[in-house]
Amino acid sequence: GAGVSQTPSNKVTEKGKYVELRCDPISGHTALYWYRQSLGQGPEFLIYFQGTGAADDSGLPNDRFFAVRPEGSVSTLKIQRTERGDSAVYLCASTPQGGRAGTGELFFGEGSRLTVL
Amino acid sequence: QKEVEQNSGPLSVPEGAIASLNCTYSDRVSQSFFWYRQYSGKSPELIMSIYSNGDKEDGRFTAQLNKASQYVSLLIRDSQPSDSATYLCAVTRAAGNKLTFGGGTRVLVKP
Repeated sequence: GAGVSQTPSNKVTEKGKYVELRCDPISGHTALYWYRQSLGQGPEFLIYFQGTGAADDSGLPNDRFFAVRPEGSVSTLKIQRTERGDSAVYLCASTPQGGRAGTGELFFGEGSRLTVL
Repeated sequence: QKEVEQNSGPLSVPEGAIASLNCTYSDRVSQSFFWYRQYSGKSPELIMSIYSNGDKEDGRFTAQLNKASQYVSLLIRDSQPSDSATYLCAVTRAAGNKLTFGGGTRVLVKP
């Protein structure tokens, strides 16, 4: 497919468990963003990668959240010791380098809905 | 104070009328401004971008920016039921920076 792919689309877990969410960006897009969206709220910035490195991780709420992008393509968001408050839709977006990077044209995936019981 | 503020709505407009959405932002260094549309259960999609003061028109959509007042708006002319969605305002300081979103305004267009 040509779009941003996120897996799983739905994840139900128990409080205290570890969760990984995967994002496969559009081929050739060097910038990758993670956002979190709770019901009735706008997307909340978590972290942004340019290539393999995290250019801005100021949105990660605490040290239970971690994200990697080891080869500059697929990214994994990792959440340790999940809490009920982590329940949300986790959105991944990518954008190509150069003129479009940071211009606001983010291409979003359909999200991973995380429910922590 | 939130960085980007929007009235949550719902904004109810009759079909064919103009829907007017407002957004204010707190970071004076913001340079780029965007409107995203998000249908229920779907991901956001970009509909308008604006970078300089004034109006920018694209089809039935007009974005208006006033940096002095830290205010950006979106007008939807000839509203259609298919325009019923949540509209998200987003701002960024510069290329390569994060986008900060508002909470969104839900629009309901009634036939």
